[in-house]
Parts: sequence; structure tokens; C-alpha cells
Amino acid sequence: DSGVTQTPKHLITATGQRVTLRCSPRSGDLSVYWYQQSLDQGLQFLIQYYNGEERAKGNILERFSAQQFPDLHSELNLSSLELGDSALYFCASSPRGSGSSSYNEQFFGPGTRLTVL
Amino acid sequence: GQNIDQPTEMTATEGAIVQINCTYQTSGFNGLFWYQQHAGEAPTFLSYNVLDGLEEKGRFSSFLSRSKGYSYLLLKELQMKDSASYLCAVRDWGGRGGKLIFGQGTELSVKP
Repeated sequence: DSGVTQTPKHLITATGQRVTLRCSPRSGDLSVYWYQQSLDQGLQFLIQYYNGEERAKGNILERFSAQQFPDLHSELNLSSLELGDSALYFCASSPRGSGSSSYNEQFFGPGTRLTVL
Repeated sequence: GQNIDQPTEMTATEGAIVQINCTYQTSGFNGLFWYQQHAGEAPTFLSYNVLDGLEEKGRFSSFLSRSKGYSYLLLKELQMKDSASYLCAVRDWGGRGGKLIFGQGTELSVKP
């Protein structure tokens, strides 16, 4: 158990719908990262938040957005869902915002499996 | 651009040693991680290298050569439970961020 929690574990929805995935980081970690893992793409970085502010952005679609709240939990919002959005969505957390001179290992949550029908 | 290459699949025998290679080309480099991932589960951290050389951690060792853009993960005394996907990831020197760029993963099958 990494200490990172994600809800829900599974989500089945239809095309065009909107869903929200939730992540609670390990106690004391300030950074939250979101990754998408599909069969043909591997683990793809979406976005990072540090202490409530966006810190880095990957190839995140405009239909997707995220935020980190004052209690440090984070939500990933996916809208206008398409079949291709079906994937495992992982949240990870780390103590600091960057790895400039430190280990700053990322701990991964169990993931949310999203199925778009 | 950023590119990380590792073999798609490998097979090894229980009790043996296996080496999984990873080559990378990134615009910035701030450390290389190896993760293990069983199907449908979260990646779990195995090792971290930021300086050239070998890091040993029990049955697992990882090596890094920054000048060659090359790393390997060495697994000794293989066990059946080591059958999993092994992910090489480079931490991008992305300004204030710390995102990881992952390779596609190497699916290791350990046979009796």
C-alpha cells in the first residue's frame, strides 16, 4: 500500500459524458501527478500540481482538467468522453515539487479504470 | 524530443539472472527510475539513479551511464513473482516540475 488513495476503482460511462476522478496523496506529500495508461500508449504524464498550483503539463487534452485543493487532494475532470479515453488513470504523489537535488520518488495510487461505452 | 526504448518482452528461468536495458534521449535529465508493474496494478518503485554507476538493492541492481543515455535493471535469483512489466522512466528537467517520462515497459515472464 503506497498510501495514495484513488476513487472510484472502476467507472463505466457513455460517450459524451463527464466524470471526476479523485486522488488523496500520501500524508505530507505536496505534489500530485496524473498519468493515463492505455494498452497502446503506456504510461503518459498528464499534469502535476504542487501545493495547489499547476507545476507541469504533459499531453493533456483540452477536454481534461485538474485541480488540487487546499487539503491537497486532487481531482481530474474528463468531459465529452470518447471511446479512446478508456484507460487506467493513475495518480502519484511525492514530497516535493521537483527533483532538482533530491530523490523525490513518486508513489502511485491503485488507479481508476475508466471504461467508455 | 523525448524517447525511451526498452525491449517489449523477455523470458527467463526461475533462479537465473536477467538484464533489462533502457536507452533514452531527453531534452533534460534529472534522474532515472525503474518501476515494477503487475497487470492492472499500480507501478511500484524499484530503483533510482542520478549519477553514473551501479545502485544495488537486494536482488535488484540498476546501472546508469549518462553519457551513453543508457541504463539497465539487473534481477538476480529470479522468482515466479518477478513476472511483471518493468518500466524505465526518466525525470524530465522540466523547470519547476518533476514529471516522469516512461518507456513502454518490458514484459518479463519467469518460467519454472
